[in-house]
Amino acid sequence: AQSVAQPEDQVNVAEGNPLTVKCTYSVSGNPYLFWYVQYPNRGLQFLLKYITGDNLVKGSYGFEAEFNKSQTSFHLKKPSALVSDSALYFCAVGDSNSGYALNFGKGTSLLVTP
Amino acid sequence: EPEVTQTPSHQVTQMGQEVILRCVPISNHLYFYWYRQILGQKVEFLVSFYNNEISEKSEIFDDQFSVERPDGSNFTLKIRSTKLEDSAMYFCASSELSGANTGELFFGEGSRLTVL
Repeated sequence: AQSVAQPEDQVNVAEGNPLTVKCTYSVSGNPYLFWYVQYPNRGLQFLLKYITGDNLVKGSYGFEAEFNKSQTSFHLKKPSALVSDSALYFCAVGDSNSGYALNFGKGTSLLVTP
Repeated sequence: EPEVTQTPSHQVTQMGQEVILRCVPISNHLYFYWYRQILGQKVEFLVSFYNNEISEKSEIFDDQFSVERPDGSNFTLKIRSTKLEDSAMYFCASSELSGANTGELFFGEGSRLTVL
């Protein structure tokens, strides 16, 4: 069975500071990991994914995420936050044993203050 | 840039009424999905659709739910007899490959359903 956890409902960061949005997962097979972002009144937008290969994955808008197999984590990071990064961030997981469904976390609201 | 479009953006209905939510996926995509998000809760998978049939469905997708691709462009979700607990934001998505494997999902902006 799959599960994904985003332990923080909200993350507050000052503009220019690094940000981290946490995600941990549990899967039965090899994990496929995704981050999506949702801006107000918009649909979810794909940011980045890990399927295989390098543990550090780079995605859109300067975001990156690190796959850590031993800690079963896939934290989203950005070296320098922008006010425009303020949005709702969703971690999602599939696995090599699953079909077409992605299992989403409940989302973390990121607020970047000037 | 191609996008997934959903209508209506918001629908209010009485309990027991039928509701149809409509989606136009990206034209060259082959896989279609419905997800929902009850307010304050996680985004939940409902159903996936490929080659004119359901490929996978969750426990949420019971007999009161159905999906259809009636004309090669629209992808609809029907709730036959709505319940209060069906109130949620419903997201349509499409992908070129299986979203659970190497692909990525393209989501619409959602249809908010309120059941009174």
